[in-house]
Amino acid sequence: GENVEQHPSTLSVQEGDSAVIKCTYSDSASNYFPWYKQELGKGPQLIIDIRSNVGEKKDQRIAVTLNKTAKHFSLHITETQPEDSAVYFCAANFNKFYFGSGTKLNVKP
Amino acid sequence: DGGITQSPKYLFRKEGQNVTLSCEQNLNHDAMYWYRQDPGQGLRLIYYSQIVNDFQKGDIAEGYSVSREKKESFPLTVTSAQKNPTAFYLCASSSRLNTEAFFGQGTRLTVV
Repeated sequence: GENVEQHPSTLSVQEGDSAVIKCTYSDSASNYFPWYKQELGKGPQLIIDIRSNVGEKKDQRIAVTLNKTAKHFSLHITETQPEDSAVYFCAANFNKFYFGSGTKLNVKP
Repeated sequence: DGGITQSPKYLFRKEGQNVTLSCEQNLNHDAMYWYRQDPGQGLRLIYYSQIVNDFQKGDIAEGYSVSREKKESFPLTVTSAQKNPTAFYLCASSSRLNTEAFFGQGTRLTVV
């Protein structure tokens, strides 16, 4: 089955700085890569996604890049704000979703 | 409002009792999923269903059972065979495989 590894497990940045979270996957058949944000005690919410036929996608301060050859994808958050503090999960999907172990992002004001 | 609803939000049970967690969606989604989340960890797939009256085991199905008698409902039963059932359970749905999954707000199960 698919194996998704996510790094780092925790990330602390100063407000206004950029944050980068990286994931690798093992199954070359995976073709859909969403990123989720989870706040304490709540369900994850989709923040951005990318398909395997696209190398990069951007939505305001958030961007995702995908390198199919290397089987890795990354989440980039620019101009971070305190409300960006949460746990972020990457996922890879072919027939079902496999999730990374999560990154706890702390944005210090 | 369209969405996916899990109930209850908190659930307490005595060891050895079966318990059923509810998951309902009104998004007309074909696929539904159950995940388990332990503190500080990622989401692990318990069961998933692509269509009514059909479901498949995920990576940690032992001690759990599901049914999919209706498109909008995918209840999860945590049986007494599950050795460590205390966890946060998340239900999700998607219009089909390989598309965005929407999550419910989760059920926190505590077995004492």
